[in-house]
Amino acid sequence: GAGVSQSPSNKVTEKGKDVELRCDPISGHTALYWYRQSLGQGLEFLIYFQGNSAPDKSGLPSDRFSAERTGGSVSTLTIQRTQQEDSAVYLCASSPASGRAGETQYFGPGTRLLVL
Amino acid sequence: GQQLNQSPQSMFIQEGEDVSMNCTSSSIFNTWLWYKQDPGEGPVLLIALYKAGELTSNGRLTAQFGITRKDSFLNISASIPSDVGIYFCVVISSGSARQLTFGSGTQLTVLP
Repeated sequence: GAGVSQSPSNKVTEKGKDVELRCDPISGHTALYWYRQSLGQGLEFLIYFQGNSAPDKSGLPSDRFSAERTGGSVSTLTIQRTQQEDSAVYLCASSPASGRAGETQYFGPGTRLLVL
Repeated sequence: GQQLNQSPQSMFIQEGEDVSMNCTSSSIFNTWLWYKQDPGEGPVLLIALYKAGELTSNGRLTAQFGITRKDSFLNISASIPSDVGIYFCVVISSGSARQLTFGSGTQLTVLP
């Protein structure tokens, strides 16, 4: 299993609860991205990690959203006090070192989040 | 922000037919990508275009990077049932993030 994996596959939660979504990137990939895909829409960039550099958080929609990447590998996206509009598929992607080769992003299957 | 206009939104075609979809932008981009998303899966890269005017093929897929660097098209020839899915045109932002900006997608349905 050399691909990007995400867990859980599906998550149903109640409005106001916190959720954590996990991403395991491809081994050796230094770049990791989180995207959000609302129903019938394209993907919306959320946050980017590259090696040990400070993450680019420019896509996070509010301060309820945060992410961390431990040891340069696994990443966790946390949504606090979830709202119904947070319902979406959250996709993680990883990429080799930057440069043309690094522009190929490999996506995980996503976590489908439903906030009731 | 950056916005890609992708059309058509959806297509229903007969197996064996050719398909064409396109994408335009008001901004210039130096890299255009086409991704495909199967149901329940993440997007997968089909074709990458790095040079204005470039025409690139990958099996039954052909994509072109517009000479103005503001558009691209994707053609699929002799469609088959496994071509079903959502096709996205994608550009790469400049700057450190190298984030992908996705078009709204073309939902392709292939009828037997």
